[in-house]
Amino acid sequence: GAVVSQHPSRVICKSGTSVKIECRSLDFQATTMFWYRQFPKKSLMLMATSNEGSKATYEQGVEKDKFLINHASLTLSTLTVTSAHPEDSSFYICSAGLVPGYEQYFGPGTRLTVT
Amino acid sequence: DQQVKQNSPSLSVQEGRISILNCDYTNSMFDYFLWYKKYPAEGPTFLISISSIKDKNEDGRFTVFLNKSAKHLSLHIVPSQPGDSAVYFCAASARTGANNLFFGTGTRLTVIP
Repeated sequence: GAVVSQHPSRVICKSGTSVKIECRSLDFQATTMFWYRQFPKKSLMLMATSNEGSKATYEQGVEKDKFLINHASLTLSTLTVTSAHPEDSSFYICSAGLVPGYEQYFGPGTRLTVT
Repeated sequence: DQQVKQNSPSLSVQEGRISILNCDYTNSMFDYFLWYKKYPAEGPTFLISISSIKDKNEDGRFTVFLNKSAKHLSLHIVPSQPGDSAVYFCAASARTGANNLFFGTGTRLTVIP
């Protein structure tokens, strides 16, 4: 299957700072990438759909000014958590697919801890 | 509003036996269904999928069954192996829509050696 990478895999930051997470499709081009968040013992929650060259589409309840998404190229999307708070601590996962509506391939995830 | 539901949070099965994981959905617009396997602190790994025009898809030890009238799908793993122990998520999409995947809450499978 297609390979998606994420960086960093783990990050600890202080409250009030910003953190950037990168998602890359390594062997294919993705016009659309997805950002998910997983709470402990919960399902994956779609946060936003990242569209190359245009604005991201955010799910209801997700603050677009807090979770900035940039999809500058067909192989890279970034999620920036701005002014991080401890409640932003979570596991963030990105995904991308070869064909819209079919399989999505997930990155390994990023564990964010805000102290 | 959970459109995809996995009502069993956990399942334990003896090695060599069959594992059956169940999933129900409510949105009749869903036309593509997927199963993912997830280990702790890792991203989900795609296992198998099925289109709504089929009722069965098989790939090695993994078979997915779809019952559209009941809005139900299941994943069969046979024979189960200890390495299959993980959390399994079912997901669904409506390919004529936004193409988002809607995930169930997951079932933790433990295969006992």
